[in-house]
Amino acid sequence: QVHLQQSGPGLVKPSETLSLTCAISGDSVSTNSGAWNWIRQSPSRGLELLGRIYYRSKWYFDYALPVKSRITINPDTSKNQFSLQLKSVTPEDTAVYYCASEWFRYWGQGTLVTVSS
Amino acid sequence: DVVLTQSPLSLPVTLGQPASISCRSSQSLVYRDGDTYLNWFQQRPGQSPRRLLYKVSNRDSGVPDRFSGSGSGTDFTLKISRVEAEDVGLYYCMQGTHWPDTFGQGTKVEIK
Repeated sequence: QVHLQQSGPGLVKPSETLSLTCAISGDSVSTNSGAWNWIRQSPSRGLELLGRIYYRSKWYFDYALPVKSRITINPDTSKNQFSLQLKSVTPEDTAVYYCASEWFRYWGQGTLVTVSS
Repeated sequence: DVVLTQSPLSLPVTLGQPASISCRSSQSLVYRDGDTYLNWFQQRPGQSPRRLLYKVSNRDSGVPDRFSGSGSGTDFTLKISRVEAEDVGLYYCMQGTHWPDTFGQGTKVEIK
């Protein structure tokens, strides 16, 4: 059984960087058979995949086009976790953010991030 | 991006009666390996989404057998054989065949 625990601030100012972390238990961030995703959910956009990382002898990073210029997802093998950074946020980035395992079998608890001054 | 269109968007059902949700894709969801990467999720109020079915019709562990999935190509269906009170919530289809993975807009299931 995989458990994902999210952490990070719920309020970010416009133009600043949104940063969230997803700690994994029950699996490894550097497994050769999985991938790790960040998704967000808002009333205007619904559920939207932002990006994912996976390890197949080296790290691969896939980012969705709408956020590609602003997003970074990084693994932290020492802590068995992965992180999301979304820079230059605007109120449009206000959403509930989730991390999820490969094929979205397991999800984090969600973090409501509000972009406001 | 692949667009998934669900219908209906709102589904009032009577307890014990069946329910059915349609998901139509703008492109075939058959991957080059022959599999079809279409999943169904349930999201209860205030909770994270929960995967119910993967690759069209495979139930995840712990999912009641009243939930079933069918379909092929571009047309898919989620069926609940007899709706129970705990089934209230939003239901989403999701495709993982074409990058980026995309979700349907959701169907709200409520009790009449």
